[in-house]
Amino acid sequence: EAGVAQSPRYKIIEKRQSVAFWCNPISGHATLYWYQQILGQGPKLLIQFQNNGVVDDSQLPKDRFSAERLKGVDSTLKIQPAKLEDSAVYLCASSLVSSRGTGWYEQYFGPGTRLTVT
Amino acid sequence: GEDVEQSLFLSVREGDSSVINCTYTDSSSTYLYWYKQEPGAGLQLLTYIFSNMDMKQDQRLTVLLNKKDKHLSLRIADTQTGDSAIYFCAENRSGGSYIPTFGRGTSLIVHP
Repeated sequence: EAGVAQSPRYKIIEKRQSVAFWCNPISGHATLYWYQQILGQGPKLLIQFQNNGVVDDSQLPKDRFSAERLKGVDSTLKIQPAKLEDSAVYLCASSLVSSRGTGWYEQYFGPGTRLTVT
Repeated sequence: GEDVEQSLFLSVREGDSSVINCTYTDSSSTYLYWYKQEPGAGLQLLTYIFSNMDMKQDQRLTVLLNKKDKHLSLRIADTQTGDSAIYFCAENRSGGSYIPTFGRGTSLIVHP
């Protein structure tokens, strides 16, 4: 079974530029998550999708970050314009169903995209 | 401050046991997790424990939970060089969500 795929693996941009990351979850996984992991810290949830709807985006800086999951499969995360403090690894994860309410299902993480903003 | 706290580094000799400690804050957490992150890779769930358990053993891994002190530990028996990685402790977020809230991670270095 293929894991969570992410691209690109690395990206270097200048501040105020735009950048987009792509994620392809495990086939059949309804729930998709984007995390931001700043160097030396644990991952922080940015946004959670259930199929193509947003479940939780309370920690997404909406003035510059946006995400979509058209057709409930692949997802893109965009930053526009980027700031120096956005330098981090952006992790995508997926799970069978939502990690809320009736039960817990394991999240499977992709390798991440390392973003450097100069 | 951080919801989940861990020491940043641990160095052990190959073949010894490693113990990674963690304290958390949310007494209503239902699940507590340990994740492993190898260089250049995403996180991998190692094990988890329900909050109504004191201990869970899985091959070389032993998880101990002290709910009174909100303390969680991960013991790796017979530590190998392949165990070198960052280990994250996590508790599930409050409000009915099982999404993990992560600590900063403990970097385990195993030397011969």
